[in-house]
Formats: sequence, C-alpha cells, structure tokens
Amino acid sequence: QVQLKESGPGLVQPSQTLSLTCTVSGFSLTSNSVHWVRQPPGKGLEWVGAIWSGGSTEYHSALKSRLSISRDTSKSQVFLKMNSLQTEDTAVYFCTKYFDYWGQGVMVTVSS
Amino acid sequence: DIQMTQSPSSMSASLGDRVTINCQASQDIGKNLIWFQQKPGKSPRPMIYFATTLANGVPSRFSGSRSGSDYSLTIRSLESEDMADYHCLQYKQYPYTFGAGTKLELK
Repeated sequence: QVQLKESGPGLVQPSQTLSLTCTVSGFSLTSNSVHWVRQPPGKGLEWVGAIWSGGSTEYHSALKSRLSISRDTSKSQVFLKMNSLQTEDTAVYFCTKYFDYWGQGVMVTVSS
Repeated sequence: DIQMTQSPSSMSASLGDRVTINCQASQDIGKNLIWFQQKPGKSPRPMIYFATTLANGVPSRFSGSRSGSDYSLTIRSLESEDMADYHCLQYKQYPYTFGAGTKLELK
C-alpha cells in the first residue's frame, strides 16, 4: 500500500539548514509527484513545493531563494533542504503524494 | 498569488445540524479545489476533489459545490466524528494556496 514517512532533525538552530527526507513505498516517484506542505503550530497549512514525476520542481515564491527539493528514485526518497532557517519556519512538515496520501509529518523547531 | 478566503474561521454546531464551510478564490481556479479534513495531531485527509467529487471512503453526508469563485463544503447531518479542522486548497496556479482553515466544534 502507499506510504510516506518524513524524517529529519527535530531541532534546528536559527540560520542553519534544514534537511528532511520523505521515504515512500507503494508507488513510483517516476510516475507521481510529491509535495511538501508545512503547518506552524496552531495555524493553517502552507504549500512549500513539489517535485514532479519527470524530476522538475516548483517552489513557493516566498521560499524559493532558500529551498531545494530533490529525489533519489533508486531509494524512493524525496529530499527537502531549506537554508537560513528562522523561527517562523517552525512547523510540522508533511510530504504528500499529490494530496491523496500523506506522511505523518515531522515537527521541526527552529530555536537556539 | 491566489488568495483563498475561508469562512468561518470557527463554528460550533449540534449533532444532526447541516453545516456549510466556504472558500472564495481571488482568481478563477475552475474546479481545481480540494477540501481536507484534519483531526488533532493527524495528517490532512482529502474529502472532496475537483470541487465536487467525493473522495473514496468519505461518507455521503459530505458534499462540495461551486458557484463562480465561491466553493462550499457541506455536511448534511453532523456526526460526532466530523469534529475537526477543514481546509480548502487551490491547485490551479503556483504557488498552490490553502484557505486559513475552519475549526468545527460541537455545541
């Protein structure tokens, strides 16, 4: 069955780089897009970006300068890298297969 | 960016009530809208695709409708398991944008 699981550090220092991994199973990354969505504590959802089946990427315009999404199809993994982290980046980060299947999310706290 | 104005931000209702949640798009998004349900500590669950199509396994008391740039999610007869946050998402244009969410509570 389709599964996605996010992994990464729970705590990141301000100005540092966040690296998250989304490990998927039950579907192929070469046939499906994977999106990242985040949710600050107690707030709404925000689309972060995506990597499409052909490998092209799209990023939220407000995050574009700090964000990179890539993948390793042989390992069924999608990667999110965001640099220059600030406290406003504190959120639960979800990966999702085009919004039908979602990972459980990983809480990332930006704090010194 | 396309703004999705969602209302109300919160509401309380009684079991058996008919409940409607709205999203208004600032630009034409056609039928490129998804409604999600999210319970505390859980991932969003898609409820309605293409503005009006019920997702697999979603009870028939849920429905979606569209009138121009106004989109609605309706729960025909509220049940206790429906207490959750609800979000709309437009995927017509980048960046994809969500509404601010509606918290649905039991009166």
